[in-house]
Amino acid sequence: GAGVSQSPSNKVTEKGKDVELRCDPISGHTALYWYRQSLGQGLEFLIYFQGNSAPDKSGLPSDRFSAERTGGSVSTLTIQRTQQEDSAVYLCASSSSRTGPGRGYTFGSGTRLTVV
Amino acid sequence: LAKTTQPISMDSYEGQEVNITCSHNNIATNDYITWYQQFPSQGPRFIIQGYKTKVTNEVASLFIPADRKSSTLSLPRVSLSDTAVYYCLVGGPSNTGNQFYFGTGTSLTVIP
Repeated sequence: GAGVSQSPSNKVTEKGKDVELRCDPISGHTALYWYRQSLGQGLEFLIYFQGNSAPDKSGLPSDRFSAERTGGSVSTLTIQRTQQEDSAVYLCASSSSRTGPGRGYTFGSGTRLTVV
Repeated sequence: LAKTTQPISMDSYEGQEVNITCSHNNIATNDYITWYQQFPSQGPRFIIQGYKTKVTNEVASLFIPADRKSSTLSLPRVSLSDTAVYYCLVGGPSNTGNQFYFGTGTSLTVIP
């Protein structure tokens, strides 16, 4: 597609339920990133994919968080047993190369997750 | 990792030039300086990138002094549509996501 597409745009879920967030990157972009942005805060790195592998999972806040990427394209971020502190905007970005000093990131509009 | 420090917020009147300064005292030799802009309910968008001296594009200018421990994003003649959060990032060619520190950015409000 023309840009990075994320779905759903908004998600309200009950505490303890599992949620899946989807990211469809720009076609041909090999690198994919997930970030989290809490209200009024900066972006918190979660995980990075190069192709289908995730060389850097250092930002995942707990083992309730997992992510996968298939076919070098779509990625899914799964949060199990959601907690209220998981409420945030989850942003996905893709870039055409693993290297490049932060220039080539194209972000989606994010998924706003609210845990009630 | 080179973290950055920016003012939390700034106000400016329409038509004025706005300068946002970012401190990055522990910048590494091969680090670049990149600025992103974020509007409400959108993801950040690349504005400009530089390594040293001055870089200019159709949107902004970036001034980097010789010691590279700071940088200044300059927005000429701002309009209401420039109201956004501006992030300064520092990193090198081999860095990946966790090594780009977005921080809280600078919230710019343009006043009519």
